Amino acid sequence: QVQLVQSGAEVKKPGSSVKVSCKASGGTFSSYSFSWVRQAPGQGLEWMGRIIPILGIGNNAQKFQGRVTITADKSTSTAYMELSRLRSEDTAVYYCARDKGGSSGSFFEYWGQGTLVTVSS
Amino acid sequence: QSVLTQPPSVSGAPGQRVTISCTGSSSNIGADSDVHWYQQLPGTAPKLLISGNNNRPSGVPDRFSGSKSGTSASLAITGLQAEDEADYYCQSFDSSLSGPIFGGGTKLTVL
Repeated sequence: QVQLVQSGAEVKKPGSSVKVSCKASGGTFSSYSFSWVRQAPGQGLEWMGRIIPILGIGNNAQKFQGRVTITADKSTSTAYMELSRLRSEDTAVYYCARDKGGSSGSFFEYWGQGTLVTVSS
Repeated sequence: QSVLTQPPSVSGAPGQRVTISCTGSSSNIGADSDVHWYQQLPGTAPKLLISGNNNRPSGVPDRFSGSKSGTSASLAITGLQAEDEADYYCQSFDSSLSGPIFGGGTKLTVL
């Protein structure tokens, strides 16, 4: 069965960066794209961007352009999300998810357990 | 402010039927983009509930069903159970934003 296991919680200072990992198992890593979705405390879900490992490219939500870098390492079946210039509003649980595409839009078939990132001075 | 609009909360007694609406626009649901639904139990990651408007993944009870019409979609839950108490999110694709979008989420309370 497909499993996405994320790295542990992080506490960061404003202005710094955080890198969260997501190790996939139970499927062919390069056959799918992987997205990152975040959820601020008590708030809804927000898509940040995705990576297509087989191509090494992806796209990000306009809101995060220039601050988020999503990469993938095919040799370890791991996706990464790095968010820079952190501010307090970036405090959230960050989820990775495996995309499943369709002709009318993709969805998130499997999810990681989430990684809490706390930004505080 | 989410691009897709959901009611903040709905409630129902055990055994009843409830529906959760998801309203979009001509750049997402109305542009023939599929709608998908997720269930998020307290303290856990979201779980895919309905894909492609009305398809249930393996393991999801047939008490859950989805529909779509025009610029809106709905999730229906019949035979409400205490374990259904959770947050529910709709998701689609927006052509103007060139990416996936979510509704603000609906908290379902089983009375």
